[in-house]
Amino acid sequence: GEDVEQSLFLSVREGDSSVINCTYTDSSSTYLYWYKQEPGAGLQLLTYIFSNMDMKQDQRLTVLLNKKDKHLSLRIADTQTGDSAIYFCAESGASGTYKYIFGTGTRLKVLA
Amino acid sequence: NAGVTQTPKFQVLKTGQSMTLQCAQDMNHEYMSWYRQDPGMGLRLIHYSVGAGITDQGEVPNGYNVSRSTTEDFPLRLLSAAPSQTSVYFCASTQGDRAEAFFGQGTRLTVV
Repeated sequence: GEDVEQSLFLSVREGDSSVINCTYTDSSSTYLYWYKQEPGAGLQLLTYIFSNMDMKQDQRLTVLLNKKDKHLSLRIADTQTGDSAIYFCAESGASGTYKYIFGTGTRLKVLA
Repeated sequence: NAGVTQTPKFQVLKTGQSMTLQCAQDMNHEYMSWYRQDPGMGLRLIHYSVGAGITDQGEVPNGYNVSRSTTEDFPLRLLSAAPSQTSVYFCASTQGDRAEAFFGQGTRLTVV
């Protein structure tokens, strides 16, 4: 079945770049997403990429998609303490289905 | 615009008790879903609905019931609570071309 995998933890120093990686299995997904969860809160959409794109940049965020290897990454430039959170990779499944498959989440800790 | 509202935020149940987790959205979204979040396992889909009167099972439906009598409301019922249902529960509504999911703040449930 479909599966989305992420490493569980990442620790970086303030001002460095963070790279969070994700592998997925469902090649029919129309979109792939990165959601951010701050402590005690629900998930919020951080960014997304359409499946026919290789890269998307949005201010400090860069998303890279390698469809051949089914690998998605999120790079956060100039990481700040406010970026400390859990980051979830997700795939949406085929177009018209909203049945997300979420990864396990990567807990990012930013050290001052 | 409140988005997705979940109640209660916290709940403690005894084994065997039943209860209903409430979820309401004011965005007129057709698609709604319930997830549970457990450490190291990401979010897993419990039940979902593609519109009023239509519901279906997700990945982990056992022990839970849902109904969708209106577009706005999608309650989740625990029939006979078990300690394995201790988790954080999130409701989400989804719509639009990029299928962005909007999440509630979550309900932290403990079954003792």
